[in-house]
Amino acid sequence: GNSVTQMEGPVTLSEEAFLTINCTYTATGYPSLFWYVQYPGEGLQLLLKATKADDKGSNKGFEATYRKETTSFHLEKGSVQVSDSAVYFCALITQGGSEKLVFGKGTKLTVNP
Amino acid sequence: ETGVTQTPRHLVMGMTNKKSLKCEQHLGHNAMYWYKQSAKKPLELMFVYNFKEQTENNSVPSRFSPECPNSSHLFLHLHTLQPEDSALYLCASSLTFHDRRETQYFGPGTRLLVL
Repeated sequence: GNSVTQMEGPVTLSEEAFLTINCTYTATGYPSLFWYVQYPGEGLQLLLKATKADDKGSNKGFEATYRKETTSFHLEKGSVQVSDSAVYFCALITQGGSEKLVFGKGTKLTVNP
Repeated sequence: ETGVTQTPRHLVMGMTNKKSLKCEQHLGHNAMYWYKQSAKKPLELMFVYNFKEQTENNSVPSRFSPECPNSSHLFLHLHTLQPEDSALYLCASSLTFHDRRETQYFGPGTRLLVL
């Protein structure tokens, strides 16, 4: 079945540090890949997505590249801010299969001033 | 603001109560979803409605009863819940259900506590 594995958190960084949150996946067919972010007390918001191999999604300084050869979609940001503190979820959806959005367990990021 | 609203934002209920959660989307979407978010577990898809028809029921106990009167509104009726049902319930919508390129847009959730 389809699954997403994220690095275990929590992750604590200082402001302006470099961020990487690892995400690997197992899927039948050709998935679309997503990163969602959940700020404290809120629902999930789409951060970025990629729908085919080698696509790079980017938004708000965050980037992730769809790597089919390594089945990965790692999230990166060059310089984090305190306002980036949130829980980040990697997710995938395939077509022709269950067509359900499958999430990882989430990685909590705390950025200190 | 994602265009998906949920009410109430917080709910405390006893195990014998009956309550309903409401979701409304203003995006012109045709697919709507209920998810359950519990601590330390991945989001669990509960129900999917596509053009008002239920297309997915992920083995959800019958004490949760969804209703989709039109493509813009989705309800989750709750009765005789258990304490382990305490969680954040998230509603989402997308333009269609069958296109993997479609993005799901989430509401802020209802934080439910069952005593």
